[in-house]
Amino acid sequence: AQSVTQPDIHITVSEGASLELRCNYSYGATPYLFWYVQSPGQGLQLLLKYFSGDTLVQGIKGFEAEFKRSQSSFNLRKPSVHWSDAAEYFCAVGNNAGNMLTFGGGTRLMVKP
Amino acid sequence: DAGVIQSPRHEVTEMGQEVTLRCKPISGHDYLFWYRQTMMRGLELLIYFNNNVPIDDSGMPEDRFSAKMPNASFSTLKIQPSEPRDSAVYFCASGVGEAFFGQGTRLTVV
Repeated sequence: AQSVTQPDIHITVSEGASLELRCNYSYGATPYLFWYVQSPGQGLQLLLKYFSGDTLVQGIKGFEAEFKRSQSSFNLRKPSVHWSDAAEYFCAVGNNAGNMLTFGGGTRLMVKP
Repeated sequence: DAGVIQSPRHEVTEMGQEVTLRCKPISGHDYLFWYRQTMMRGLELLIYFNNNVPIDDSGMPEDRFSAKMPNASFSTLKIQPSEPRDSAVYFCASGVGEAFFGQGTRLTVV
């Protein structure tokens, strides 16, 4: 069975600081990996995805993530955080067609001025 | 495209009542998913359809839950009878390999 662990429930960073959100997955084959962001009262918006190829993927809003097979990780990064990035972030793994997403528990990001 | 449209946005109902949540997927998307989000259990996949056919409903918690997709542009998730523990945000999503989510229906069962 596939599973996702996001070890950090809450993270607080100062505006302008760099950010890394951790994600570890368990999946028997080559995973389809995703990061979504959810603002309060809203649905989930896709930030980026990894299916194959280059292990460093770029997404929207200046986010990037790196797939590391040896560590079963897909960490999300941003070099300089903006106050508008405060939200909840979800990592997800999908099956061979990218369907049946299994989500991690989420990381709530707070940004200090 | 207006994206995935869910209705209602908020629903408050009494225990024992029937609740129907509605979803209009993005046109052309072959896959439709229903998720439930709670504080305790996070985001859970309840059921998904491919070309209007239910493919996997192993996430549906009980027989009280049922979902249908009578055509490519409409799906419903029904709870009958509803219970307080069904209170959650229910999301519909469509797409494949990149799920597009609706804004959700916040269900409160009192």
